[in-house]
Amino acid sequence: AQTVTQSQPEMSVQEAETVTLSCTYDTSESNYYLFWYKQPPSRQMILVIRQEAYKQQNATENRFSVNFQKAAKSFSLKISDSQLGDTAMYFCAFMAGGGADGLTFGKGTHLIIQP
Amino acid sequence: SAVISQKPSRDICQRGTSLTIQCQVDSQVTMMFWYRQQPGQSLTLIATANQGSEATYESGFVIDKFPISRPNLTFSTLTVSNMSPEDSSIYLCSVHSGQLYNEQFFGPGTRLTVL
Repeated sequence: AQTVTQSQPEMSVQEAETVTLSCTYDTSESNYYLFWYKQPPSRQMILVIRQEAYKQQNATENRFSVNFQKAAKSFSLKISDSQLGDTAMYFCAFMAGGGADGLTFGKGTHLIIQP
Repeated sequence: SAVISQKPSRDICQRGTSLTIQCQVDSQVTMMFWYRQQPGQSLTLIATANQGSEATYESGFVIDKFPISRPNLTFSTLTVSNMSPEDSSIYLCSVHSGQLYNEQFFGPGTRLTVL
């Protein structure tokens, strides 16, 4: 079984600043995927970014990028030029490869962007 | 990406009753997943529903409490049976998408309150 740990229950930064959310995981799988999801107050789960474990290059999506350290089993999310609309719960998630499994989520980080 | 709808969006129920939640996807998918998000908590996988076979339940979840139907490749239902206040949660369905099934997309969720 795998575990996902997010050690920051809440973070607060000023608008336009850069913020990094931490995530570590534990697994014996060799083929897997890692995700960051955003859940605003509307409760809709929104996929922010995905990382394939076999790829060494860190994934980026506009202002969002990850620092994937496979040996350390670390998967942090960096949000650049933060915006008020980034205020939300952020969940780190793990999925074993093959497509048959669901996601294992961390406890989440509540990110607040201050004006 | 897949477009997923859920009905109802929210409900308030009396203890001892049952509620069936519907999940509809705009494309055919092999696997559908049901998650529970208790108040202020992360998401926990309840079960995986494949068309034409029995659902697979995660540890701590049983078919008598959470029966699932999967009559075709675009639809599934989750029933929360004999409800108690502890069942008050958001229930979300999700599906794999992408050629490699390496993304999961979520429905908007059903907010259930049990009195």
